[in-house]
Amino acid sequence: KNQVEQNPQSLIILEGKNCTLQCNYTVSPFSNLRWYKQDTGRGPVSLTIMTFSENTKSNGRYTATLDADTKQSSLHITASQLSDSASYICVVSGNTGRRALTFGSGTRLQVQP
Amino acid sequence: NAGVTQTPKFRVLKTGQSMTLLCAQDMNHEYMYWYRQDPGMGLRLIHYSVGEGTTAKGEVPDGYNVSRLKKQNFLLGLESAAPSQTSVYFCASSYDGVLDEQFFGPGTRLTVL
Repeated sequence: KNQVEQNPQSLIILEGKNCTLQCNYTVSPFSNLRWYKQDTGRGPVSLTIMTFSENTKSNGRYTATLDADTKQSSLHITASQLSDSASYICVVSGNTGRRALTFGSGTRLQVQP
Repeated sequence: NAGVTQTPKFRVLKTGQSMTLLCAQDMNHEYMYWYRQDPGMGLRLIHYSVGEGTTAKGEVPDGYNVSRLKKQNFLLGLESAAPSQTSVYFCASSYDGVLDEQFFGPGTRLTVL
């Protein structure tokens, strides 16, 4: 069964600090991996998408990495801001079918002043 | 552009009642999706559509029906609501179903008593 596991489930950091969120997946065959940010009470918003051949992608202070061999991805947030407080969801596409997205349950990040 | 909009934002139903959730997108996207999000779980696909007049079942379709009479609208119906359908429902759309980013609506919080 395709699965996406994220850890930690929740994280509290101080403003200005860096953090790294982890994603492990067992989806096969692999097509692409996406990270979404979901603010409380809002829909998810895409941060990055990586295909098999990409091992890093940045979007401002967000940098995602992908190791397709170990089936792991990470999302690194640099110099965190209060507005980074949200849930971060790892999503893996297992094939070219639009039904094949597998969502992780997310990491809830809280940035405190 | 409004992007993806959903109505209503909140709804409380009694067991056995019916209702329709409306999703609208103004990005001329071909693909539209309905997901549900439950605490501690990743988003799960209910139904999706690959174009006007088409619908298909996702991961958890039981108890729901959908229609895509117009390209810009995707309706999700609950014929006889059950407490297990208490959830937050998200609609999404994308230009194509493979690598393209899915854009999410703000969600509808449904409570079934």
